[in-house]
Amino acid sequence: DSGVTQTPKHLITATGQRVTLRCSPRSGDLSVYWYQQSLDQGLQFLIQYYNGEERAKGNILERFSAQQFPDLHSELNLSSLELGDSALYFCASSLTEATEAFFGQGTRLTVV
Amino acid sequence: GESVGLHLPTLSVQEGDNSIINCAYSNSASDYFIWYKQESGKGPQFIIDIRSNMDKRQGQRVTVLLNKTVKHLSLQIAATQPGDSAVYFCAENMNNNAGNMLTFGGGTRLMVKP
Repeated sequence: DSGVTQTPKHLITATGQRVTLRCSPRSGDLSVYWYQQSLDQGLQFLIQYYNGEERAKGNILERFSAQQFPDLHSELNLSSLELGDSALYFCASSLTEATEAFFGQGTRLTVV
Repeated sequence: GESVGLHLPTLSVQEGDNSIINCAYSNSASDYFIWYKQESGKGPQFIIDIRSNMDKRQGQRVTVLLNKTVKHLSLQIAATQPGDSAVYFCAENMNNNAGNMLTFGGGTRLMVKP
């Protein structure tokens, strides 16, 4: 158990819908990262937050947004969902921006 | 943009043999590298890391080598066991004005034959 908690574990939704994925980082970790992993693909960096502020953006679509709250948990919002958005979404956290990141078990999103 | 990549998508080894997984990176400003192991249905698990001021770091049965001259990273697993079967990702970290971004390579699948 990495200490990073993601909910829900599985999510099935229809195209055009909007979903929110939640991440609770390890206790004490200030940095949160979101990644997307499509079937048999690598990990694509989406966005990073540090202590509530957005710090880095990767290949995140405009339909996607995220935020980190004062209690340091983070949410990834995916809207106008398309079939191609079906993937595993991972959250990771790290103590600072220059230390190893620990991953949650992911949320498997299926868009039908 | 610059990216991290892997030479071998699949590596098959005999149980007990040593495994070497390679990774090439192209961003010379990267100062921190991590190897992750991902088992089926699970999130990536931290294995070992190395900073750019080092060229070798050892853990339990694992060694990471960093060659900054040719921008190459490798993970060596000694006495490979069936439980080592997984996908291995290398990741590089670069902290610049845009923030801190951990960039992952495409992954190598390690298959251990009993």
